[in-house]
Amino acid sequence: NAGVTQTPKFQVLKTGQSMTLQCAQDMNHNSMYWYRQDPGMGLRLIYYSASEGTTDKGEVPNGYNVSRLNKREFSLRLESAAPSQTSVYFCASSETGFYEAFFGQGTRLTVV
Amino acid sequence: DAKTTQPNSMESNEEEPVHLPCNHSTISGTDYIHWYRQLPSQGPEYVIHGLTSNVNNRMASLAIAEDRKSSTLILHRATLRDAAVYYCIREHTGNQFYFGTGTSLTVIP
Repeated sequence: NAGVTQTPKFQVLKTGQSMTLQCAQDMNHNSMYWYRQDPGMGLRLIYYSASEGTTDKGEVPNGYNVSRLNKREFSLRLESAAPSQTSVYFCASSETGFYEAFFGQGTRLTVV
Repeated sequence: DAKTTQPNSMESNEEEPVHLPCNHSTISGTDYIHWYRQLPSQGPEYVIHGLTSNVNNRMASLAIAEDRKSSTLILHRATLRDAAVYYCIREHTGNQFYFGTGTSLTVIP
């Protein structure tokens, strides 16, 4: 049972480059989330998708876009990476709401 | 403010109970309280959640104050594996769940 799988695990980008972080869950969950974690700041919600076909902004959406490709997959795109986006990114999923959400292992992104 | 307030850090001796407090004074009547923990270099994992009454599961207990402005996560017998950052989360409008900075728990052998 894989749970929530994030790819890649590590990535270094140059300022201005673009990339997509991938997230897939195999639990048939309706809700999916993207968070970022910076030192001393806990996790901050970037975007979430309450169900297939819907996405909504969270606390810190600027500089990001998301796609809920299907029920399993929820991707996060950085169109023009900036050093301020250096962070650890976590994807999560839950059957509904945030009840008993499962998190992936994270993607450590460095923008230089 | 939708975020909760927790102490930055706490210590506990191994095999003793631990009470982790959380303040959520602006909570509304239908907002659940959720607790997650994050072990080093891992994603957060679910611990417990509740609305009004006390809740128990295999990992912990959750005691919610009668006025719902605060709650306490109780680990009945701390082990070294319980050393983690514990987050108390309240629901915000719609489907938004905001983490605070959490409590870093150190378990002393």
